[in-house]
Amino acid sequence: KAGVTQTPRYLIKTRGQQVTLSCSPISGHRSVSWYQQTPGQGLQFLFEYFSETQRNKGNFPGRFSGRQFSNSRSEMNVSTLELGDSALYLCASSLGLLETQYFGPGTRLLVL
Amino acid sequence: QKEVEQNSGPLSVPEGAIASLNCTYSDRGSQSFFWYRQYSGKSPELIMSIYSNGDKEDGRFTAQLNKASQYVSLLIRDSQPSDSATYLCAVLDPPQLIWGAGTKLIIKP
Repeated sequence: KAGVTQTPRYLIKTRGQQVTLSCSPISGHRSVSWYQQTPGQGLQFLFEYFSETQRNKGNFPGRFSGRQFSNSRSEMNVSTLELGDSALYLCASSLGLLETQYFGPGTRLLVL
Repeated sequence: QKEVEQNSGPLSVPEGAIASLNCTYSDRGSQSFFWYRQYSGKSPELIMSIYSNGDKEDGRFTAQLNKASQYVSLLIRDSQPSDSATYLCAVLDPPQLIWGAGTKLIIKP
């Protein structure tokens, strides 16, 4: 069974731009969670989607948004990029809410 | 504020020895506990999950859970250089998974 895939793997943007990241979960998994990871902050939870609905949200500004499609694929969007948004963005999928999460390879975003 | 705490390390262990990683959590209502391994520049990968008090063994790895004392640990027997990584502890405290900051483990040949 294929694992979680994320695209793109690497991205370079400039301040003020916006970016969209994509995540395809493991087949049959209906829940997708997004995390931001920076060297000094560890894993920071962004949001979780299940059946196209956001079920849980972390403590991030409104510039960070996401959605989930009927095939469980998910996208997250960051608008008006700031230097501090440079990070590894990880997507994790699980069968359902509150179940074991499996991570994709991540998208490494660099904001210049 | 619900928290999961881990010693950031680095924890240095000789090859072949037992590495012991610890994690404490603040909420007695926590239900499920997970250990992930993350190599530098890579994404976390699940090592083990544990739900009940006691020990759970999987190969060279043993997870130990003590809900009364609110800690969960991971033992790695016969440590290998390939075990050098950051180990993340995660605790399910509905409705969210709470993550520790991770312990960096270095296995010295």
